[in-house]
Amino acid sequence: RKEVEQDPGPFNVPEGATVAFNCTYSNSASQSFFWYRQDCRKEPKLLMSVYSSGNEDGRFTAQLNRASQYISLLIRDSKLSDSATYLCVVGTGGGNKLTFGTGTQLKVEL
Amino acid sequence: DVKVTQSSRYLVKRTGEKVFLECVQDMDHENMFWYRQDPGLGLRLIYFSYDVKMKEKGDIPEGYSVSREKKERFSLILESASTNQTSMYLCASTLDNSNQPQHFGDGTRLSIL
Repeated sequence: RKEVEQDPGPFNVPEGATVAFNCTYSNSASQSFFWYRQDCRKEPKLLMSVYSSGNEDGRFTAQLNRASQYISLLIRDSKLSDSATYLCVVGTGGGNKLTFGTGTQLKVEL
Repeated sequence: DVKVTQSSRYLVKRTGEKVFLECVQDMDHENMFWYRQDPGLGLRLIYFSYDVKMKEKGDIPEGYSVSREKKERFSLILESASTNQTSMYLCASTLDNSNQPQHFGDGTRLSIL
């Protein structure tokens, strides 16, 4: 079983749609959680950290369920510019060592 | 803003060559990381470092070594390059051990012929 699992997609959605991604992680001792965005042939960039109480940043909402060991990302009112691969990232133990999911591809279409 | 700079965006080398990939960060970060990213496999950790002259193996260290002589610079070395090391290499840094996110450089696309 992979440490961090994501549906690879692609998710093809029309502009303005709401789309949700889920991610599961296997290590119950995980302490930090992030969503990164990666554009084609570019480096990953931090989209948002994920906090236990859930958090929102504009059109993006992240949730963490420690009991079920999953993380979610909700994107409202999708824009063409949201098209990218979204990486679920989990930190376990010290040293800020992170484990990356293989990513979920989102394509927003006109 | 954190700036992580990798020395080359694209690099082509031959099998058997010794290859150096350089990474520099300008924010006095303690921790630095080297990953490779391959289609369908995601990012995999090669080596990381918590401090100067300190290194730890990641998940796939075979065929690689690293050097951290100065806090701001973390080098990845392919001792004898092989074709299966053709990949996208990404360097990242983070402030310390306090569960902070990592900041990435632009990446180096390395081709071994």
